[in-house]
Amino acid sequence: DQQVKQNSPSLSVQEGRISILNCDYTNSMFDYFLWYKKYPAEGPTFLISISSIKDKNEDGRFTVFLNKSAKHLSLHIVPSQPGDSAVYFCAASGDNFNKFYFGSGTKLNVKP
Amino acid sequence: DTGVSQNPRHKITKRGQNVTFRCDPISEHNRLYWYRQTLGQGPEFLTYFQNEAQLEKSRLLSDRFSAERPKGSFSTLEIQRTEQGDSAMYLCASSLRGSQPQHFGDGTRLSIL
Repeated sequence: DQQVKQNSPSLSVQEGRISILNCDYTNSMFDYFLWYKKYPAEGPTFLISISSIKDKNEDGRFTVFLNKSAKHLSLHIVPSQPGDSAVYFCAASGDNFNKFYFGSGTKLNVKP
Repeated sequence: DTGVSQNPRHKITKRGQNVTFRCDPISEHNRLYWYRQTLGQGPEFLTYFQNEAQLEKSRLLSDRFSAERPKGSFSTLEIQRTEQGDSAMYLCASSLRGSQPQHFGDGTRLSIL
């Protein structure tokens, strides 16, 4: 029962260009969404979050967009840097935050 | 902020043995989560503690798995009678409030021979 899906296992982008990572969810009760970045041999690191009352949240080079009607969120990284190369996970939770569902990840490669 | 600490980093054991992992969350964090991650997949929720109370447990967590968080501080995850399918990375995360992002440890990798 995969309630959060990331359908692109990998993405390759040229340095300086925009990276767009996508995530779809099935549960309309999800209220809070997050993106994490993961390097090999390390735990995931929080990037940015958004609650369902918003449709956009921005933090420096990272912007998350939420389309509730489509049950879709995306992460935009502008401009992309080689240090952004990592696996990116989206995650979702209901309003009690007792349980989080993660997608399977997208491996981003930013080429110099 | 010393971060979330997990021990051991790697555990190798024979099938049928019991294993126990430890997680030390960030000191003021009252929320603690355990996840399991297999190759090519995202973290899969196992269980959640608020202070010492275990408030949520995945249906996927068989009765061979048990977790504790005595006194609301560190937590342990025990797997009894390990099976090949238990081989995975076990991640622990903590947060101060639900609406704040979780901080993850670097995980314990379990390998079953």
